[in-house]
Amino acid sequence: ESVLTQSPGTLSLSPGERATLSCRASQHVLGNFLAWYQQKPGQAPRLLIFGTSKRAAGIPDRFSGGGYGTDFTLTISRLEPEDFAVYYCQEYGDSKTFGQGTKVEIK
Amino acid sequence: QLQLQESGPGLVKPSETLSLTCTVSNYSINNTPYYWAWVRQPPGKGLEYLGSISYAGAIYYNPPLRSRVTLSVDTSKNQFSLRLTSATASDTAVYFCARHPYAAHAEYFEHWGQGTLVTVSS
Repeated sequence: ESVLTQSPGTLSLSPGERATLSCRASQHVLGNFLAWYQQKPGQAPRLLIFGTSKRAAGIPDRFSGGGYGTDFTLTISRLEPEDFAVYYCQEYGDSKTFGQGTKVEIK
Repeated sequence: QLQLQESGPGLVKPSETLSLTCTVSNYSINNTPYYWAWVRQPPGKGLEYLGSISYAGAIYYNPPLRSRVTLSVDTSKNQFSLRLTSATASDTAVYFCARHPYAAHAEYFEHWGQGTLVTVSS
């Protein structure tokens, strides 16, 4: 089973800044089948990105995903107040596992 | 707009079976091919995918819990269900139902229910 490790655990930034979140897999991710979710307290996760770089319906273009093989990133080009949340990556090629999350907090 | 709503007991005794139902609204489970899934999240922790079922009964169980999980679908009620046997405290979690596309390697979850907390305790 592939393990996904997200870094950093917490990212402290100000609105307007750029956020770069990392997701590293212990095994090559089949087909680059990797997704990213945003979760706010008391809410269900929200799909942001699937297939490494495809934005889900209704997701603003300030969210972008990239990467290949075992190293993937989620970039938020300019943080809006509503973007402060926890972000999870998920591999759905073989293992169908989630990372442990990165919290993006207001600095 | 598609809505998913989990329901079931909020408290389960250890060794008993945890049973939850997800009611799908504003969309027929029979309508087009999707998989209907369960994902859980222990308090303060990350997400764990449990498995998926199609309207026709095709099922995938994620291996870590395969021996304890049973999924079923009731198209007449537009619902699908989860049973998790031999519950322990480590099964305490918020349980989400969700939907993902019907295709190989497509277990990314586009729609989610709000989640329901199930506590396993005597």
